[in-house]
Amino acid sequence: AQKVTQAQTEISVVEKEDVTLDCVYETRDTTYYLFWYKQPPSGELVFLIRRNSFDEQNEISGRYSWNFQKSTSSFNFTITASQVVDSAVYFCALHPISNFGNEKLTFGTGTRLTIIP
Amino acid sequence: NAGVTQTPKFRVLKTGQSMTLLCAQDMNHEYMYWYRQDPGMGLRLIHYSVGEGTTAKGEVPDGYNVSRLKKQNFLLGLESAAPSQTSVYFCASSPRELAGYYNEQFFGPGTRLTVL
Repeated sequence: AQKVTQAQTEISVVEKEDVTLDCVYETRDTTYYLFWYKQPPSGELVFLIRRNSFDEQNEISGRYSWNFQKSTSSFNFTITASQVVDSAVYFCALHPISNFGNEKLTFGTGTRLTIIP
Repeated sequence: NAGVTQTPKFRVLKTGQSMTLLCAQDMNHEYMYWYRQDPGMGLRLIHYSVGEGTTAKGEVPDGYNVSRLKKQNFLLGLESAAPSQTSVYFCASSPRELAGYYNEQFFGPGTRLTVL
């Protein structure tokens, strides 16, 4: 069984500050995918990134960056120069890849990020 | 493309009533899923389908039934609603999994259900 832990329930930062959202996972599978989704106040879930367990390169997309460290089973998400539009609930998720075909996407409990103007 | 749509957006039921939530996708995806989201618990998988005519149980299937008669539609039914089923329900879809590869899921806007 797999587990995703987002220990930070709520974070508030002042606009333009940098903020890091933590994600720690557990899985016995050697191959898996990690995801981050954003849920803005409007409620829909927006896909942000997918990362394969074989690819430990960090990724940057504009103000967003992701740090994947297999050694610590972490996949942290950093927003640089935060903006009010970044206020949302962010979910980390894990999907193992095996030969059984019955793997599921497991979500963390989410981190509510509030950017204070 | 509309993506993934859900009907209705809001619903209030009385305990014991039944209802069906409809999910439709126009992306020709093989896989479809129903989740529920509750405060502090993230999203939990109720049922899923890997193709037309097939369904399987997820993490929290009790009290729900599903059907996938058409590839583009995935229905979630509550036969006898209970207050514990008050939640936000999300439908999602994804393309067929290729060996060793997994696509992201595309989510609908959600249905907020209250059971009194």
